[in-house]
Amino acid sequence: NAGVTQTPKFRILKIGQSMTLQCTQDMNHNYMYWYRQDPGMGLKLIYYSVGAGITDKGEVPNGYNVSRSTTEDFPLRLELAAPSQTSVYFCASSSHLAAVDNEQFFGPGTRLTVL
Amino acid sequence: LAKTTQPISMDSYEGQEVNITCSHNNIATNDYITWYQQFPSQGPRFIIQGYKTKVTNEVASLFIPADRKSSTLSLPRVSLSDTAVYYCLVGFHSGSARQLTFGSGTQLTVLP
Repeated sequence: NAGVTQTPKFRILKIGQSMTLQCTQDMNHNYMYWYRQDPGMGLKLIYYSVGAGITDKGEVPNGYNVSRSTTEDFPLRLELAAPSQTSVYFCASSSHLAAVDNEQFFGPGTRLTVL
Repeated sequence: LAKTTQPISMDSYEGQEVNITCSHNNIATNDYITWYQQFPSQGPRFIIQGYKTKVTNEVASLFIPADRKSSTLSLPRVSLSDTAVYYCLVGFHSGSARQLTFGSGTQLTVLP
């Protein structure tokens, strides 16, 4: 049982490039989340999903897109990367919506630098 | 957007009890309060969760007053390995979207 896995671990992008951050969970969780964490700051929710085919915006969705075609996978797409997107990105999953009687399981993170 | 508020940092000595308080004035009726621990270069890890009054597990206690506008994480007899950032998480309703908000986090430093 690997839990939540993320790839890649590190990535450097040039301004204007695009990329997809991968996230997979093997716990059969319905809920999945993407957060970003800037240096010295707390986590901010980008997008979340309540099940395959259903996604919704979090606090900071601009510049990102997500899709959820399967229960296991929840990729995060960055289009036209900007320096402001330099951050550490964490994916998480839970069996219920995280704010109601639940525990989120986090992946190890992807450290992204945009130059 | 409603926010949670925590102290930025706290210092303690090994063996002491540490209490970290989180303020969350706009918590929704059906939201739980969850605390996470984060070490450098790692994702957050669940510590404890509660709805009201007191919850205790093998590593911590969580105290929640009747009005639920704050909560206090209590770590008994801390050790050097408890040095980490501690976050409280509650969910705030915002129209049709739930805005899960982590607090700014409290850097706990345990000294020998």
